[in-house]
Amino acid sequence: AQSVSQHNHHVILSEAASLELGCNYSYGGTVNLFWYVQYPGQHLQLLLKYFSGDPLVKGIKGFEAEFIKSKFSFNLRKPSVQWSDTAEYFCAVIPSGSARQLTFGSGTQLTVLP
Amino acid sequence: SQTIHQWPATLVQPVGSPLSLECTVEGTSNPNLYWYRQAAGRGLQLLFYSVGIGQISSEVPQNLSASRPQDRQFILSSKKLLLSDSGFYLCAWSSGQSYQPQHFGDGTRLSIL
Repeated sequence: AQSVSQHNHHVILSEAASLELGCNYSYGGTVNLFWYVQYPGQHLQLLLKYFSGDPLVKGIKGFEAEFIKSKFSFNLRKPSVQWSDTAEYFCAVIPSGSARQLTFGSGTQLTVLP
Repeated sequence: SQTIHQWPATLVQPVGSPLSLECTVEGTSNPNLYWYRQAAGRGLQLLFYSVGIGQISSEVPQNLSASRPQDRQFILSSKKLLLSDSGFYLCAWSSGQSYQPQHFGDGTRLSIL
């Protein structure tokens, strides 16, 4: 079975700082990868996804993630964060061809100080 | 467009009482449906998933059960709630392809007294 690790449990940044949230997974086969975001009081929303092709994926609100297969990583980045980016971020992985086994990381709480 | 509705938003129940949480999806047919529990600092844990009416798979043994009486309706139940059932429960749907994301409801905060 696959697993996902998000090593940063809580990240605190000032506005305009650059962001990188780590995500590593373990699975021997081909995977599809996702980043979800949960703003305070809101439901989980898809931020971006990777399923094939260009390993650099661009999502909403200026976020991007890079899939590095050799490192089993899918780190989330944003060059300049805003206060409104304060939220919890979840990385998730699913084996290609499976619609069931979506496995989530434990989440990273991002706090952006104004 | 597709929408997912989950209710109630919050629920306070005594230990030993029954539970029924409902989730419905609109704007799509034959979705895959999921129930998750979200615990602080532990991400989301898949409880049940369903690929069709009457087809339920359980991911973890527990005090809860799920049913899918209609194509776009998914119900999470318990006959007797335990204190350990407290938590935040999320329903989700997907189109059934692994590269398609799952879409989540607003969740139910369940508190057991």
